[in-house]
Amino acid sequence: DAKTTQPNSMESNEEEPVHLPCNHSTISGTDYIHWYRQLPSQGPEYVIHGLTSNVNNRMASLAIAEDRKSSTLILHRATLRDAAVYYCILREGNYGQNFVFGPGTRLSVLP
Amino acid sequence: DTEVTQTPKHLVMGMTNKKSLKCEQHMGHRAMYWYKQKAKKPPELMFVYSYEKLSINESVPSRFSPECPNSSLLNLHLHALQPEDSALYLCASSQASRGRGYGYTFGSGTRLTVV
Repeated sequence: DAKTTQPNSMESNEEEPVHLPCNHSTISGTDYIHWYRQLPSQGPEYVIHGLTSNVNNRMASLAIAEDRKSSTLILHRATLRDAAVYYCILREGNYGQNFVFGPGTRLSVLP
Repeated sequence: DTEVTQTPKHLVMGMTNKKSLKCEQHMGHRAMYWYKQKAKKPPELMFVYSYEKLSINESVPSRFSPECPNSSLLNLHLHALQPEDSALYLCASSQASRGRGYGYTFGSGTRLTVV
């Protein structure tokens, strides 16, 4: 199974950009890169996903390396509400249903 | 409706009790999932249903029994649980497709305590 590695924790100041890295050196050619976050006492929440090209949505941007062995989730202006555990996940398997979470990065946002 | 609804939100049960967790979605998703999450740990996949059929069982003990009575509903029947089964149980749904580009929608979970 393709795995991801992320830093255990990161800190950011409020209203500054945050770059959350993820390494996935064993990614296969058709694996999508997904990012989810989990706020305290809530279920995981979809943030963004991509395959090869960089992606933007209202929540974040996803920058994918040309060789696809790493990616970076970018929060353009961190707010206190962005404090959460961020998970980088590869969607793999015959039907993409073996959705396995890694340990994730705990993001703290300082006022 | 873009939500996955889980009930109850909290459940306390004894080791000899039988209880059920319920999960419902009306997004037309044909894949539904159960995850278990212990404190400070990532969610762990338990079961996957695709088109109402069990497609993945991650070697979960038989005291957990999933059921998918229709395309909108997923149950998890609990019997003779142990205190170490206390955890947050999360339900999720997604499109059931060979394409892997679809995201998952998660419910808020049921906080289970086994006493």
